[in-house]
Amino acid sequence: GAGVSQSPRYKVAKRGQDVALRCDPISGHVSLFWYQQALGQGPEFLTYFQNEAQLDKSGLPSDRFFAERPEGSVSTLKIQRTQQEDSAVYLCASSSRGLGREDTEAFFGQGTRLTVV
Amino acid sequence: GQNIDQPTEMTATEGAIVQINCTYQTSGFNGLFWYQQHAGEAPTFLSYNVLDGLEEKGRFSSFLSRSKGYSYLLLKELQMKDSASYLCAVRDTGNTPLVFGKGTRLSVIA
Repeated sequence: GAGVSQSPRYKVAKRGQDVALRCDPISGHVSLFWYQQALGQGPEFLTYFQNEAQLDKSGLPSDRFFAERPEGSVSTLKIQRTQQEDSAVYLCASSSRGLGREDTEAFFGQGTRLTVV
Repeated sequence: GQNIDQPTEMTATEGAIVQINCTYQTSGFNGLFWYQQHAGEAPTFLSYNVLDGLEEKGRFSSFLSRSKGYSYLLLKELQMKDSASYLCAVRDTGNTPLVFGKGTRLSVIA
């Protein structure tokens, strides 16, 4: 597709349940980012991939959060034993690497709204 | 550490001009971005500044002063559809993750 695609758009999970959120970046984009956005707040960085390598996971809030991008394209963010504080929108963004202003732009997906009940 | 500040909310009248300020303190600097985000939607790119000065793009302009750690987004001829959150974000170095401010929620009223 032309843009970043995320699925599912909405997910309701019972507390303690594991969830997996999927991100399909723009084809050919090297970099992929996951952000968490609470209601009324700006996106907070979670983790960053360059191709299949996870270069920065400093934003993951706990060891219940795990992300992977095994073939350097699609990425999955997994949250184990979900808690109510995990309720948020999870945004994925991708960008190409190169020179020029356009290449530094990150394109965002519409996000997955996770509600933990 | 990294800190990005912008006002939480602003209200402006249709047809008017509004300026949304952003101040930042980061360890490095490789560009400042403004994104627009309508409720329930993805952030969409508005502008990018890496050098000091004003960048104009239609009704939207963005200004940067690196020495002051300051930027603003200027919206002219406001339309109702401009009601949205405006996110200021800074890239530290290279192609590293953007650090976002909390966003400014702009309400355009008739």
